[in-house]
Amino acid sequence: DQQVKQNSPSLSVQEGRISILNCDYTNSMFDYFLWYKKYPAEGPTFLISISSIKDKNEDGRFTVFLNKSAKHLSLHIVPSQPGDSAVYFCAASLLDNDMRFGAGTRLTVKP
Amino acid sequence: DVKVTQSSRYLVKRTGEKVFLECVQDMDHENMFWYRQDPGLGLRLIYFSYDVKMKEKGDIPEGYSVSREKKERFSLILESASTNQTSMYLCASTPRGGTEAFFGQGTRLTVV
Repeated sequence: DQQVKQNSPSLSVQEGRISILNCDYTNSMFDYFLWYKKYPAEGPTFLISISSIKDKNEDGRFTVFLNKSAKHLSLHIVPSQPGDSAVYFCAASLLDNDMRFGAGTRLTVKP
Repeated sequence: DVKVTQSSRYLVKRTGEKVFLECVQDMDHENMFWYRQDPGLGLRLIYFSYDVKMKEKGDIPEGYSVSREKKERFSLILESASTNQTSMYLCASTPRGGTEAFFGQGTRLTVV
């Protein structure tokens, strides 16, 4: 039973527009949420995170929003750039030593 | 510069073979993880370890075992490889109290 779900396997946006990637989770005990970016033939790399006590965290073009009541988080990329094209994984952490990932969303940013 | 190193990028093994995937991190991290990545399924947790000689099952431990004799090394063992274990295997580590995981480059295992 997957505890972290990314229901959109792919997303295509135009360069300069906003990309919104969504993630849902089922375990209300998760206390930290992260987004990772993965290029082919490489391991995932950390992008941005948010603690369960916050509802928003921003880092440059990337913003993560957390809605605990809905058990939902989203990643906004504004403006999107062709170099952002990659697979994005949502992850949730429990008590700092257990981490579960979603299935990933492949983002394609068209020039 | 932090580093997680997996022993092989590509591996081809025969059905029934015993397979060892090695992972070493040089960051003195307490927590280490093994995931497999499959299309449409994302990263699924096989096992993790929060200390030397400690291990916990993840979501899909069947057919796998692990070993953590030293803090820096976490090994994934396929006791008798099967074709449904053909996958990309990713190792990761985090410090205790930290949540950002550092990943190795992955091992693409093909079982024929």
